[in-house]
Amino acid sequence: DGGITQSPKYLFRKEGQNVTLSCEQNLNHDAMYWYRQDPGQGLRLIYYSQIVNDFQKGDIAEGYSVSREKKESFPLTVTSAQKNPTAFYLCASKPGQNTDTQYFGPGTRLTVL
Amino acid sequence: QKEVEQNSGPLSVPEGAIASLNCTYSDRGSQSFFWYRQYSGKSPELIMFIYSNGDKEDGRFTAQLNKASQYVSLLIRDSQPSDSATYLCAVNLISSGSARQLTFGSGTQLTVLP
Repeated sequence: DGGITQSPKYLFRKEGQNVTLSCEQNLNHDAMYWYRQDPGQGLRLIYYSQIVNDFQKGDIAEGYSVSREKKESFPLTVTSAQKNPTAFYLCASKPGQNTDTQYFGPGTRLTVL
Repeated sequence: QKEVEQNSGPLSVPEGAIASLNCTYSDRGSQSFFWYRQYSGKSPELIMFIYSNGDKEDGRFTAQLNKASQYVSLLIRDSQPSDSATYLCAVNLISSGSARQLTFGSGTQLTVLP
């Protein structure tokens, strides 16, 4: 099956810990994105990558880091510097430059204890 | 002013009625407009996209775009309880920095009453 997978579905973290959220796609899409969603709010862009080994900061990149070593994978690390990390994290991808349509993975819900 | 603005609702309609969801945006140069549906606790799924002024129909859904007035709307005909969800409007516009990115509204919560 083609699609976008995110793991884990739920993640609990203690304050001061770094955690890494996984995002994998087998759609052969060029671009990948990370968004954060807080209750009752829209999606806010954290980081995006249009090609392998390149990524750009979004609107709320502070306290997060990413890598894009493979086309299929775009992991997000939530560092201890992120002050309010509890949120729903969504990974998305799009085929390439000729379209703006993004498709989403199932999401990871991160809770800081 | 928010870049993409939606009425947060909640919007309630009876089963079988037409639900009308509206969205306004700030960037007059925007070219791509999307509607996503998000069920509680789930990720957004694409319903429709529209690029040109006018109406675009897909089954019970119609997207309407008016670039001069900078609004895009979604009509859901013959609303069903299964349509109850939050509907996100997304517009490709210039946000922070110089690159165009897909920017999302905060969503309108729709409830279809049986």
